[in-house]
Amino acid sequence: EPEVTQTPSHQVTQMGQEVILRCVPISNHLYFYWYRQILGQKVEFLVSFYNNEISEKSEIFDDQFSVERPDGSNFTLKIRSTKLEDSAMYFCASRFSSTNEKLFFGSGTQLSVL
Amino acid sequence: GDSVTQMEGPVTLSEEAFLTINCTYTATGYPSLFWYVQYPGEGLQLLLKATKADDKGSNKGFEATYRKETTSFHLEKGSVQVSDSAVYFCALSPGSNYKLTFGKGTLLTVNP
Repeated sequence: EPEVTQTPSHQVTQMGQEVILRCVPISNHLYFYWYRQILGQKVEFLVSFYNNEISEKSEIFDDQFSVERPDGSNFTLKIRSTKLEDSAMYFCASRFSSTNEKLFFGSGTQLSVL
Repeated sequence: GDSVTQMEGPVTLSEEAFLTINCTYTATGYPSLFWYVQYPGEGLQLLLKATKADDKGSNKGFEATYRKETTSFHLEKGSVQVSDSAVYFCALSPGSNYKLTFGKGTLLTVNP
């Protein structure tokens, strides 16, 4: 079965540093998502992306966050100035079309902010 | 806002035991309901879904029925296997954007 690939699997950064999390969605998918899970808490929606623009974002997704699909294959999440509370597992997901409900998730990037 | 509450884990069962993981939800309208599973080291995978009241989703021996009157979507399996050991997430999606709201996840461990 096709896979969503996320790199790196673990990322450690210092507070205040910029970090970019990378995702390669399934090649013919059109809708892209980022979710995160803080340890012991629920998986939370961050942002959805379609047709090269954000279609919806949550309250968590403030000005410190941005997403980009720079080259037609990668889908990145950038955190400009990381905070301790950004430490979480970040999941990328994609799906094929507006009528296909099946989201394919990557295995996640564990971000630790020190 | 929308929310999902699922049974706190961890749940530990012996092989061939019966499994129930409870899930209830709060949402406006008629959301679609999902169960996702995460095996160790892997991403979340869709296990089953139901899109309207009284629908039953099923896959790999797991079942869940969309109960609008009790706002529930409990996951069941008649006879679990060691390979079912994973984290199970209940989720809902209110509309076509498939912006999922998840429960906290329930860790299931099945012992031989």
